Amino acid sequence: QLVESGGGVVQPGGSLTLSCVASEFPFSGYGMHWVRQAPDKGLERVAFIRFDGTYKIYADSVKGRFTISRDNSKNTLHLQMNSLRPEDSAVYYCAKGVPWNDHCFDYCGQGTLVTVSA
Amino acid sequence: DIQMTQSPSSLSASVGDSITITCRASQRISSYVNWYQQKAGKGPKLLIYFASNLQSGVPSRFSGRGSGTDFTLTISSLQAEDFATYYCQQSWSSPPTFGHGTMVEIK
Repeated sequence: QLVESGGGVVQPGGSLTLSCVASEFPFSGYGMHWVRQAPDKGLERVAFIRFDGTYKIYADSVKGRFTISRDNSKNTLHLQMNSLRPEDSAVYYCAKGVPWNDHCFDYCGQGTLVTVSA
Repeated sequence: DIQMTQSPSSLSASVGDSITITCRASQRISSYVNWYQQKAGKGPKLLIYFASNLQSGVPSRFSGRGSGTDFTLTISSLQAEDFATYYCQQSWSSPPTFGHGTMVEIK
């Protein structure tokens, strides 16, 4: 199970940190993703972190502004979002990775809504 | 970036029908295609990986085929719980990219 939190309304240029608490699987053994979906839009993989945190990759649209991190002792995934833009408004899903590929995930949490607006 | 062109964008079908959704990649990607199901208000869930492998727990009425650039997802004998939006995704290279989705509605 994955439970996201931290979404809300923020002004352009502001910051927000999303968190995701995992349970019912060995969190420290899996890569994790953040995936977002703008209202009535498709899916975008925002960031990925390997199981041990040694490898991270970001979508070009967020590179340099967002930081993914994890705390395996607390089964928690984070997404620090800085310099937020209106186009970052979306539902953000935490997703559990699969062992065989860094781009595939098998399920998501319920999502947390981020709205960037003045 | 690799573009994934998915069709149709929507379709209407009845319980018991068989449907097929197609996805075309802008370059050859071997079998690195995954299919996801998303229901209203929920996150996407993996159905098929590596083009034709059924994810654990997914009913056998779902099947996938293809390699290279052309891929299909087939649902045989649609059930009420299958009405949702389906996305293809390429996992051949970064960034992973998704099709625009196919909304399957009840006729």
